[in-house]
Amino acid sequence: QKEVEQNSGPLSVPEGAIASLNCTYSDRVSQSFFWYRQYSGKSPELIMSIYSNGDKEDGRFTAQLNKASQYVSLLIRDSQPSDSATYLCAVTGGYNKLIFGAGTRLAVHP
Amino acid sequence: NAGVTQTPKFQVLKTGQSMTLQCAQDMNHNSMYWYRQDPGMGLRLIYYSASEGTTDKGEVPNGYNVSRLNKREFSLRLESAAPSQTSVYFCASSEALALDTDTQYFGPGTRLTVL
Repeated sequence: QKEVEQNSGPLSVPEGAIASLNCTYSDRVSQSFFWYRQYSGKSPELIMSIYSNGDKEDGRFTAQLNKASQYVSLLIRDSQPSDSATYLCAVTGGYNKLIFGAGTRLAVHP
Repeated sequence: NAGVTQTPKFQVLKTGQSMTLQCAQDMNHNSMYWYRQDPGMGLRLIYYSASEGTTDKGEVPNGYNVSRLNKREFSLRLESAAPSQTSVYFCASSEALALDTDTQYFGPGTRLTVL
């Protein structure tokens, strides 16, 4: 059974701090990795994708991938209350299929 | 562009009733997906359609059927609803031109309660 593991949280950080969200996956052949943000009662929306080892930056977001350790993370710099949401990690589980983690709830407090 | 649309937004069924959840996308995407989301369990794939005319089972297909009506529309049918099917259902689509998985875009979801 292919698995994606995330700490459910809540992860509580003060406004302006760096939030660090982590994800591990079990399938060594996974090639693509995604972070989705989901506000309460809403649908998931893609915020980052990463395919190669290393870091990928997009504004305040940085995705980090380490395939040897089967680990992917998301850093959110200068966290804002509007970043408070559940963050879902997803990895490829076969052609055109994603396996999602259960999500980490992030709470950014003023 | 509306993106991915789903109907209905909310539904309450009694055990044993049937219903069809509708999904449509206007992005000319090849692949479409149905997920269910339960508290603490993330999104689980029910069925997917890699391209028009094909459908395949996902992780949790039991109790469901699907139809890829055309390139735009992908419906999910519950033939005999059970309380265990109480969940939030999301439809998604992706262009899927590459060999590997690409971005999936989600609809707003259908909140289904089975009594």
